[in-house]
Amino acid sequence: GENVEQHPSTLSVQEGDSAVIKCTYSDSASNYFPWYKQELGKRPQLIIDIRSNVGEKKDQRIAVTLNKTAKHFSLHITETQPEDSAVYFCAFNNAGNMLTFGGGTRLMVKP
Amino acid sequence: DAMVIQNPRYQVTQFGKPVTLSCSQTLNHNVMYWYQQKSSQAPKLLFHYYDKDFNNEADTPDNFQSRRPNTSFCFLDIRSPGLGDAAMYLCATRRQGVETQYFGPGTRLLVL
Repeated sequence: GENVEQHPSTLSVQEGDSAVIKCTYSDSASNYFPWYKQELGKRPQLIIDIRSNVGEKKDQRIAVTLNKTAKHFSLHITETQPEDSAVYFCAFNNAGNMLTFGGGTRLMVKP
Repeated sequence: DAMVIQNPRYQVTQFGKPVTLSCSQTLNHNVMYWYQQKSSQAPKLLFHYYDKDFNNEADTPDNFQSRRPNTSFCFLDIRSPGLGDAAMYLCATRRQGVETQYFGPGTRLLVL
């Protein structure tokens, strides 16, 4: 079945530093790769997504890169702030557009 | 401007007592999902609907059922909740042909 590995499981950075989270997926037919941010007790919120026809997408301090050959994609957060602290989930779709989620990364930004 | 609404936000039930969680949406999306999320884990898909076409994930326990009476509403019924069913239950929707899923705020279920 489909599988996605997400690393690291926890990440602690100093405010202002960059954070990078990586995911590796198994389904070569996948063409949609979203990233969700989930604060404690709240819903997962889509923060950025990328489709397989591009290699990089940026939205202010957040960027996602995709390497389809190697089947991995990464989330980059620059100039981290305490409010970036949350659990981040990567995901990818299958042929039926079901999402498979990574195991999550708990990001802690220390002031 | 809530788009995906879940009620109640918190639900306490007794072991074995049936419980129903509800989801409604104002987006007119024809695809709806129910996920179970346990603490510190990724959301796990239970069911999904394409319009009224119901699809059950292979490993969803028989204890879980779902109803979708119309486009806007979807229900999750847990017939005999066990302690292991305590979790956050998330509803999500999307428009067919568009990949983006929108999540509701979730219902946290506690089983005593």
